[in-house]
Amino acid sequence: DIVMTQSPESLAVSLGERATINCKSSQSVLSSYNNKNHLGWYQQKPGQPPKLLIYWASTRESGVPDRFSGSGSGTDFTLTISSLQAEDVAVYYCQHYDAPPYTFGQGTKLEIK
Amino acid sequence: QVQLQQSGPGLVKPSQTLSLTCVISGDSVSSNTVAWHWIRQSPSRGLEWLGRTYYRSKWFNDYAASVKSRITINPETSKNQFSLHLNSVTPEDTAIYYCARDPGSPKDQWGQGTLVTVSS
Repeated sequence: DIVMTQSPESLAVSLGERATINCKSSQSVLSSYNNKNHLGWYQQKPGQPPKLLIYWASTRESGVPDRFSGSGSGTDFTLTISSLQAEDVAVYYCQHYDAPPYTFGQGTKLEIK
Repeated sequence: QVQLQQSGPGLVKPSQTLSLTCVISGDSVSSNTVAWHWIRQSPSRGLEWLGRTYYRSKWFNDYAASVKSRITINPETSKNQFSLHLNSVTPEDTAIYYCARDPGSPKDQWGQGTLVTVSS
């Protein structure tokens, strides 16, 4: 199984500052059949299901603010929030969907400093 | 717009079977381009993928090794829904259960979640 490891586990950032969350997979999630990274990023707020922000590692889901961006390839990925807003307080997860079993990172809790 | 609506009991006794249903609107359980998944979330295990069902000229299933001996995911084409059955439950199976369409991908869509507590 592919193990997804996120860092840090928690993060406190000032409003308007940049937040960076890392995700490392134990195997490459770059697919040879479509040359895309099968990696998604989610935001989860209390009492809600995870909300997809980014798919293919760097494609923003429709309606997601452009302050959210994803980067990386192979085994190393990053979610960046360029200018933190109060509504971004949440837990963030990465997940691979290359092949089953799909696995998630353990989550990164983002708070306001 | 695709919507997934979950239903099922919130309390299950130990050793019994946990059964949940996910009704699909705006897509078809028999689509040959997507798969239908169950995922759970608990403080101790985080987000855990349980399995999927999908149709590619015939029906296929994939299950997580951790539950493979206890799980069944069934499509129900006449009702455009799919179900989760997890037998011989223990308190360790207490979690929020989600149904989803191809999580993480461009086809991502999740149900609202169902808190299932295993307790006598």
